[in-house]
This record gives sequence, structure tokens and C-alpha cells, in this order.
Amino acid sequence: GQQLNQSPQSMFIQEGEDVSMNCTSSSIFNTWLWYKQDPGEGPVLLIALYKAGELTSNGRLTAQFGITRKDSFLNISASIPSDVGIYFCAGRPLGSQGNLIFGKGTKLSVKP
Amino acid sequence: ETGVTQSPTHLIKTRGQQVTLRCSSQSGHNTVSWYQQALGQGPQFIFQYYREEENGRGNFPPRFSGLQFPNYSSELNVNALELDDSALYLCASSYGGGGPQETQYFGPGTRLLVL
Repeated sequence: GQQLNQSPQSMFIQEGEDVSMNCTSSSIFNTWLWYKQDPGEGPVLLIALYKAGELTSNGRLTAQFGITRKDSFLNISASIPSDVGIYFCAGRPLGSQGNLIFGKGTKLSVKP
Repeated sequence: ETGVTQSPTHLIKTRGQQVTLRCSSQSGHNTVSWYQQALGQGPQFIFQYYREEENGRGNFPPRFSGLQFPNYSSELNVNALELDDSALYLCASSYGGGGPQETQYFGPGTRLLVL
């Protein structure tokens, strides 16, 4: 099935460092969402973006909806051990009927 | 506010069998979407139900079917199970029938293993 191009696949960082991950698509999206998934759990919504250029923060997390509507990034500042998990971008293509397209995820590991 | 719940949490079936997975949507939500998540992959859209009717479908064969009930809860049925059907099945609820600015909230999933 169709998937977004999410990078990097995995990251190993030191506690306190900043993290950046991004997602790109070949087609225009009208919604970008970022989720975090812990082992054995469902994805939990972190940030939702609905307009090109929109920049939204949620605590230490900041995400932006790219101007071209084909990309989005998520930044995490001053990482802590509980940031460990898999981060997924998800988007809704223009004209789609409800379904979200997901990236393959970025696995984040934080060393204390 | 009650979140999305799914049952059962885990299930083991054999090839050729049939399975039914259940989802209760979040309070106030009228739309349910189902996703399949294989190990190491992102979720893949199966279908969405809105007002008890299928409202969109991904690239899954007809042996994947569903229902939505008047209380907005939903079932996912899979017939003639194959080994590749082993995955985490996620239910997501939302309000609005799949509009462009609709946000989906996920349940914890049902882990299905097909032997």
C-alpha cells in the first residue's frame, strides 16, 4: 500500500539532545498528524496540522506543515528517557475519503 | 470521556479460520476506521464506517469485512485467515465521516497471530 517516506528510520541520542524527524510524500496532503506508539499500544496523537505553513507546539514538541503540502517535520527539544518509542507521521491525501497514510516510523532511543 | 477500546487484546487462530474483532469508539465519535499494522511497519488503512455504512476502503480483499452498530461500535471480520494476516489490528474513532480536518484517535489494538 501507499506509504509516506519518513526519516530517519532510527535515532540513538543522549538525554538532553534535540531530535528532528521528517516525512515527505509525492502528492499533496491536506492534513498532517504525528503519533507516538509504545510497544504493545496503539498510536497516541501528539500534534495535528491542517494548514500549509502551520507551526504547532505541544510542550517540547514542535511540528510544521510544509509550504508545498508534501512534507512535515517534528522536532523534540531536550529529550528525556520517556521520549523513547516509535514516532509516526500520518497524512490525509487531497481528495481522500477519511483514510490516513502512515510513514514507516522513526524509532527513538534515548541514553540517560 | 471514554477512550477507544478494543477486544480481545490477543488472539491466536489457524489458517482458514474466521475471526471477529471489536471496537468501541470514543464518547461523542460517530466514525470508526480500521487499520492493519504488520511488525515494523506503519498502519495500513482497511476501511472506515460512518453512519453504519462503509465510507472508504483501502487495498484489502473482500474477506475483510466490517459492521458498525447504532451505538457507533464496530466489528472487523476476517474470513479464510492467511499467515500474512498476523498483525496488530487498530481501530480509530473520529467525528465527521472522514472530513479533511478530522483527527483519528486510536485504541490499543488487537494482536492477531495466525498459525
